[in-house]
Amino acid sequence: AQKVTQAQTEISVVEKEDVTLDCVYETRDTTYYLFWYKQPPSGELVFLIRRNSFDEQNEISGRYSWNFQKSTSSFNFTITASQVVDSAVYFCALKERGSNYKLTFGKGTLLTVNP
Amino acid sequence: DAEITQSPRHKITETGRQVTLACHQTWNHNNMFWYRQDLGHGLRLIHYSYGVHDTNKGEVSDGYSVSRSNTEDLPLTLESAASSQTSVYFCASSAWAGGIEQYFGPGTRLTVT
Repeated sequence: AQKVTQAQTEISVVEKEDVTLDCVYETRDTTYYLFWYKQPPSGELVFLIRRNSFDEQNEISGRYSWNFQKSTSSFNFTITASQVVDSAVYFCALKERGSNYKLTFGKGTLLTVNP
Repeated sequence: DAEITQSPRHKITETGRQVTLACHQTWNHNNMFWYRQDLGHGLRLIHYSYGVHDTNKGEVSDGYSVSRSNTEDLPLTLESAASSQTSVYFCASSAWAGGIEQYFGPGTRLTVT
């Protein structure tokens, strides 16, 4: 069965610090997809990134970067030079073919960026 | 612009009442999903549909039902509301089932008293 673990329940940093959010997943499938979503205080869920199991290239988008490592079953998310607007709950999620492509979420990490 | 909407955004109801939460998307997506979000649990899948007249149970489907009569709508019904169903409910959709992201509605906060 698929499972996503976000061991960090809450993280607090000061603005301009770099911060990494950890995500560890479990799956028996060779074909699977990983996602990150952001939930700001306003409550909506915003899609950030999708990676598939065949593509281990790291991704960078502005201050955001993602490190996908199949060897450690991890898909970590780093925010460089954090800003107050980055304060949110961040969810990692996994979708595998063997589970009929249902999306399984981790429990989320609450990031607070203080000025 | 295409979008996904939920109504109502807030609802207070009494134990034992039937409640229906609406979800409407204008992307013409085949796939639609209902999740509930509770502190300490993240988001959990209630029901999902991969097309008209198709419905499937998720991990927390007891006490909930859905029906899909057209592409745009997937209403979620609580047959007899219980206090344990107090939660924030999110609807989502995606173009197909495979490796593609889901897009979420704004959520409905339901309180069962």
